[in-house]
Amino acid sequence: ETGVTQTPRHLVMGMTNKKSLKCEQHLGHNAMYWYKQSAKKPLELMFVYSLEERVENNSVPSRFSPECPNSSHLFLHLHTLQPEDSALYLCASSQAGGATTIYFGEGSWLTVV
Amino acid sequence: AQKVTQAQTEISVVEKEDVTLDCVYETRDTTYYLFWYKQPPSGELVFLIRRNSFDEQNEISGRYSWNFQKSTSSFNFTITASQVVDSAVYFCALSEGDNYGQNFVFGPGTRLSVLP
Repeated sequence: ETGVTQTPRHLVMGMTNKKSLKCEQHLGHNAMYWYKQSAKKPLELMFVYSLEERVENNSVPSRFSPECPNSSHLFLHLHTLQPEDSALYLCASSQAGGATTIYFGEGSWLTVV
Repeated sequence: AQKVTQAQTEISVVEKEDVTLDCVYETRDTTYYLFWYKQPPSGELVFLIRRNSFDEQNEISGRYSWNFQKSTSSFNFTITASQVVDSAVYFCALSEGDNYGQNFVFGPGTRLSVLP
């Protein structure tokens, strides 16, 4: 079993749909992250939860809504997305605090039609 | 501000060739951490190595080796006797100071294609 698992791996949704991405980490970490990776763009940090509290929100549009019910689970709720939101969404986890390493899941490939 | 540059956008080599991926970083901190990740076509970023700024020893792990030089702010990655399975996008990353996860800065990545 991989350390960070994401579901679904692939998702196609219409602009009026509501869907959610799920992430679960099995590494005993207490910080979790959502990153967005678009074609020809650098990795973008979207949200960080440390000890289950959101510590950073990099001006992400409100159509993306994160939820972290506990230190092992992270969701990204999606609603009324735009085609330009099509990307690979990567979940990651680490220990909160200094001198840490981030470990990533396999990502969820999202296509908005 | 911290910054990571990977000047090589794409590299193609033939199997069994050696290849070096360049990484140049900028930071004002004296304490920082450098990382390399591999992203195969499946999408997952796989952690390869972490070095802290106080440890300039080069590291070798099988066919992989890393050359950290503070004098040139570089942390280069060499694959010896490359194989087709090495084909992936490779990211260099930097984290300053206390190295909190939210402070990671990733380079743009280098796409390596190893041809049979």
